[in-house]
Amino acid sequence: DQQVKQNSPSLSVQEGRISILNCDYTNSMFDYFLWYKKYPAEGPTFLISISSIKDKNEDGRFTVFLNKSAKHLSLHIVPSQPGDSAVYFCAASGGSTGGGADGLTFGKGTHLIIQP
Amino acid sequence: DARVTQTPRHKVTEMGQEVTMRCQPILGHNTVFWYRQTMMQGLELLAYFRNRAPLDDSGMPKDRFSAEMPDATLATLKIQPSEPRDSAVYFCASGLRQETQYFGPGTRLLVL
Repeated sequence: DQQVKQNSPSLSVQEGRISILNCDYTNSMFDYFLWYKKYPAEGPTFLISISSIKDKNEDGRFTVFLNKSAKHLSLHIVPSQPGDSAVYFCAASGGSTGGGADGLTFGKGTHLIIQP
Repeated sequence: DARVTQTPRHKVTEMGQEVTMRCQPILGHNTVFWYRQTMMQGLELLAYFRNRAPLDDSGMPKDRFSAEMPDATLATLKIQPSEPRDSAVYFCASGLRQETQYFGPGTRLLVL
């Protein structure tokens, strides 16, 4: 049973436009959400995160929105650039053990393609 | 530029052989994670340690997999005996706070 779902395996966006990647979760215990970007043959790279006490977090071109009642989060990239072409993973953690980071539950990823 | 390192980057072995993967976490990070990525299951958590003590290994097949942290600079994941279904990319990650984990480049394992 997938607790974190990314329902779009791929997304194609024109350079300069906004990219919106979506993620849904089912576990109410999740209290921290992260987005990772992954290029082929490399490990995932942290992009941006959000705590469940917030509904928005912004970092440069990247903004994450959290809708707790809908158990939905989204990543907005604006403007989209060719270097943004990669696989994007949504991840969640919860029931913190305290004292540090906790294990993440990942979605299956969305392959974002930025077209010139 | 601090980063997580993993060795080997690639490993091809035959079924039944022992496989050991190594990870050097970022200095100062108190939590180390092992993840596995397959086409079918995606990225899944196998086990993790905090301050070198195992915290959760519920994602790991217990009969053939073992994870250890002999010291703060080394984490190991061992498979004995290996099976073709273990073929995957194994990632190590380390972190200090809830906000992020830093991933290594992965070990691509192929068991024939």
